[in-house]
Amino acid sequence: GAVVSQHPSWVICKSGTSVKIECRSLDFQATTMFWYRQFPKQSLMLMATSNEGSKATYEQGVEKDKFLINHASLTLSTLTVTSAHPEDSSFYICSARDLGGAEAFFGQGTRLTVV
Amino acid sequence: AQKVTQAQTEISVVEKEDVTLDCVYETRDTTYYLFWYKQPPSGELVFLIRRNSFDEQNEISGRYSWNFQKSTSSFNFTITASQVVDSAVYFCALSDHVKGAQKLVFGQGTRLTINP
Repeated sequence: GAVVSQHPSWVICKSGTSVKIECRSLDFQATTMFWYRQFPKQSLMLMATSNEGSKATYEQGVEKDKFLINHASLTLSTLTVTSAHPEDSSFYICSARDLGGAEAFFGQGTRLTVV
Repeated sequence: AQKVTQAQTEISVVEKEDVTLDCVYETRDTTYYLFWYKQPPSGELVFLIRRNSFDEQNEISGRYSWNFQKSTSSFNFTITASQVVDSAVYFCALSDHVKGAQKLVFGQGTRLTINP
């Protein structure tokens, strides 16, 4: 089956620093990747849609200058949380859709804690 | 706009009981997909089922079964003879099909606790 690998699984960073999260499709090519955020005991909310070779599309209320998304290849998308603050502490999870497919596969998620 | 409602925030039952998790959705699309995911404490999302809007047949997979009723816009999930390992948060989700982008709208989730 299709595998999406997300790295790191968890990260603790100091307030004001930047953190990069990687999302890789291991055995398929993904033209589209999605980034979701989940606060404790809440649902998953879509942050942005990332298309290979073009700018990401952000959902309303998500700061594109704070959450930088790069999708430079068909197997890798990255989310960089810039100038992280404690309120950015959350579970971030990506999903990837294969070429022409109707299925999207999820990574394992990254738990970010900003102290 | 698409919306998914899981009215049951938390459910707690004793092992071996049957339990049904409700899911009601709203969409203007005529073609769409419905999903159920399991999220254990570790956080990863475990895919359980995907159902196309044109397929209203109920599905059974072991102790799991799903009841899709287009007339009531519901896609309920039943666990038969529940086990402690079924304890998790369960999410129902909806995506449009026509656009093919597969971005999901999730319900609020139902935290299921199976007590021994």
